[in-house]
Amino acid sequence: DQQVKQNSPSLSVQEGRISILNCDYTNSMFDYFLWYKKYPAEGPTFLISISSIKDKNEDGRFTVFLNKSAKHLSLHIVPSQPGDSAVYFCAASADRSGGSNYKLTFGKGTLLTVNP
Amino acid sequence: NAGVTQTPKFRILKIGQSMTLQCTQDMNHNYMYWYRQDPGMGLKLIYYSVGAGITDKGEVPNGYNVSRSTTEDFPLRLELAAPSQTSVYFCASSYGGAGFFGPGTRLTVL
Repeated sequence: DQQVKQNSPSLSVQEGRISILNCDYTNSMFDYFLWYKKYPAEGPTFLISISSIKDKNEDGRFTVFLNKSAKHLSLHIVPSQPGDSAVYFCAASADRSGGSNYKLTFGKGTLLTVNP
Repeated sequence: NAGVTQTPKFRILKIGQSMTLQCTQDMNHNYMYWYRQDPGMGLKLIYYSVGAGITDKGEVPNGYNVSRSTTEDFPLRLELAAPSQTSVYFCASSYGGAGFFGPGTRLTVL
């Protein structure tokens, strides 16, 4: 049973345009959400996160939106650059231990290709 | 700062063999994790540790063992390798926020 779902295996966008990556979750206990970026033959790299008490978090070209009622989050990249081409993983945590333990449940990932 | 290092990078095992995947972090993080990633899938948590001497099972612990004798090291042990353990293994550490991942160990069991 997948608790974190990324239904689009791949996404292709033109350089300079917006990339929107989507993620849905089923576990109501999840209260912290993260996006990781992964290049081939490397480990995932943390990109941006959002707590369930917020609905938006922004860091430079990256913005994450959280819709708790829909159990949906999205990552917006504006403007997209060829170097953004990678696999993006959505991950979630049910913070049962007072904010100090981030066991993560990952989605399957979305391969983003940004074309020059 | 080397971050999280993993050895080896690649390994081929025969069914029934055993091996230890090494993981070391130099950031003085209390929390460490082992994940595996199968082709086309997300990462799944095998074991984690909240500090030296304390470990606990994750989502897919069967066939693995861990120990945490120091803050820096968190080795993962496979006792009787099976083809189902063919995967890429990632070690991660964190201070309580987002984890820092190592580069991974690609393991094939034939």
